[in-house]
Amino acid sequence: EDQVTQSPEALRLQEGESSSLNCSYTVSGLRGLFWYRQDPGKGPEFLFTLYSAGEEKEKERLKATLTKKESFLHITAPKPEDSATYLCAVQAGQGGKLIFGQGTELSVKP
Amino acid sequence: DAGVTQSPTHLIKTRGQQVTLRCSPKSGHDTVSWYQQALGQGPQFIFQYYEEEERQRGNFPDRFSGHQFPNYSSELNVNALLLGDSALYLCASSLFLSNQPQHFGDGTRLSIL
Repeated sequence: EDQVTQSPEALRLQEGESSSLNCSYTVSGLRGLFWYRQDPGKGPEFLFTLYSAGEEKEKERLKATLTKKESFLHITAPKPEDSATYLCAVQAGQGGKLIFGQGTELSVKP
Repeated sequence: DAGVTQSPTHLIKTRGQQVTLRCSPKSGHDTVSWYQQALGQGPQFIFQYYEEEERQRGNFPDRFSGHQFPNYSSELNVNALLLGDSALYLCASSLFLSNQPQHFGDGTRLSIL
């Protein structure tokens, strides 16, 4: 069965304290792995797409990487405005459904 | 360029009632997917519509049904509401069978009393 697991469930950082979020997946025929950011009361906002092992994408303080079994979202010198829930999702096989992990709730204190 | 829009933003219903949620996709997109997000959980796929037909369905009962219109907008209908149907319902739009990202609306918060 296709499955996505994110860890940790919650992460509290001080401003400037770098860290990483993990997304482990078991799927057949990965077509893409997606990272989204979700603020309270809002829908998920697209951040990155990764398609093959070894691929990396960067945007401001965020960097996403992909291996054959997991993806990492690295946050460098985070700011309070980076506080949000970060969701990982995979698209696999035929069809367009996304399979989401449960998310990592990130809190960055000044 | 308008993104994905959903209505209403909030809805309160009682058990046994029926509800209809609406979604307009991002300009240029032809496919609409619906997801249910319980509090503290990741979104769960309900179904996907393309060319006015249901193309893929997740593990949801027949009480959940949908429709897509010629202008690509979509509705999600839920019959015989249960307390457990309380959730944030998200609509996402994309191009059919593309591995480009799906774009989400801000959802409809459905509360069942």
